[in-house]
Amino acid sequence: GDSVTQMEGPVTLSEEAFLTINCTYTATGYPSLFWYVQYPGEGLQLLLKATKADDKGSNKGFEATYRKETTSFHLEKGSVQVSDSAVYFCALSALTGRRALTFGSGTRLQVQP
Amino acid sequence: NAGVTQTPKFRVLKTGQSMTLLCAQDMNHEYMYWYRQDPGMGLRLIHYSVGEGTTAKGEVPDGYNVSRLKKQNFLLGLESAAPSQTSVYFCASRTGTENTEAFFGQGTRLTVV
Repeated sequence: GDSVTQMEGPVTLSEEAFLTINCTYTATGYPSLFWYVQYPGEGLQLLLKATKADDKGSNKGFEATYRKETTSFHLEKGSVQVSDSAVYFCALSALTGRRALTFGSGTRLQVQP
Repeated sequence: NAGVTQTPKFRVLKTGQSMTLLCAQDMNHEYMYWYRQDPGMGLRLIHYSVGEGTTAKGEVPDGYNVSRLKKQNFLLGLESAAPSQTSVYFCASRTGTENTEAFFGQGTRLTVV
């Protein structure tokens, strides 16, 4: 079945540091890929998405590129801020059937001033 | 601009009690989902619905039932709560169009003692 593997957290960075959160997936066909963010006490919000190979999703300074050859969708940001502290989830969605999201286990990011 | 609304936000149950969680969406979405979130496990799909009057099992359906009598509402029931059902529950909805993201509610924190 479909699965998503994310790097273990927590990740602790200083403000303005470079961020990478690794995400790899296993799926049949060509799923859509997503990054969701969860701020403390809140639900999940879409951060960015990519729907086909080599697509780059971007939002709020975050980027991720759909790499079909390595089945990866790593999240990057050049300069993190304290306000980026949250839990980040990588997810995939098959294009047929129930189209439910399959999530990774989440990576907690803590940015220190 | 409500989006996806879950009620209640918090609940404490005794073992063996029953309850119903309500999810309401105002975006006319076809697909609706119930997930549970547990530490280190990401979000796992409990049940889902692809349209009014339809429901189906996800990965962890045992101990839960659902109903979708109206397109905008998706109810999750616990007939006899167990401590293992202590979790944060999220409802989500999406359109039937390919490559679209899911929208999430704020979550319900349930504790079974």
